[in-house]
Amino acid sequence: EAQVTQNPRYLITVTGKKLTVTCSQNMNHEYMSWYRQDPGLGLRQIYYSMNVEVTDKGDVPEGYKVSRKEKRNFPLILESPSPNQTSLYFCASSLSAGTGWEPQHFGDGTRLSIL
Amino acid sequence: AQKVTQAQTEISVVEKEDVTLDCVYETRDTTYYLFWYKQPPSGELVFLIRRNSFDEQNEISGRYSWNFQKSTSSFNFTITASQVVDSAVYFCALSEVRGGGADGLTFGKGTHLIIQP
Repeated sequence: EAQVTQNPRYLITVTGKKLTVTCSQNMNHEYMSWYRQDPGLGLRQIYYSMNVEVTDKGDVPEGYKVSRKEKRNFPLILESPSPNQTSLYFCASSLSAGTGWEPQHFGDGTRLSIL
Repeated sequence: AQKVTQAQTEISVVEKEDVTLDCVYETRDTTYYLFWYKQPPSGELVFLIRRNSFDEQNEISGRYSWNFQKSTSSFNFTITASQVVDSAVYFCALSEVRGGGADGLTFGKGTHLIIQP
């Protein structure tokens, strides 16, 4: 089954404690991205990757890091989480970048709470 | 810069009524793509439709229909004979081709649709 898998689904942690949210897709997609969803703001893109070892900032990259060492994985790293990063996070992938023809497939979301 | 506006924060209707969700977008590109996603209470994002900027034909899928009008930069979504299961947050989104070729989605803030039995 084609899917985007995020882990964990829920996490409560404390300020400053490094965390990683994993994202994996089994569709051999080139393009992957991370979004955060906040009440009243919709979804905003954090980072995206057009292919292995190619990453770039989205609209709200501050406080986040990503890596793309393998095609299937695109982890989101919070080196020193802060309460303003409490949010619902979505990973997405699509076949290729630059066309828009392929809809992005979204994971089920990760709800992070930073105390 | 691109922008998507969903002016209706929340809509509440009684089951079986028709309801239209508005979406207005801004872009300087001539080539772009528009999407609607549904987010049910369980939280996942469900893709509903994609439309490219060169195709202004309206589309109907069962009880769902979409009206794309470039002249007014709108891409509205209508649910006919609404059902309780349609209750969700609906997002309109725009995709441009950026300088590097990547097409991130710019989302509207969403419309919370409540269908009352």
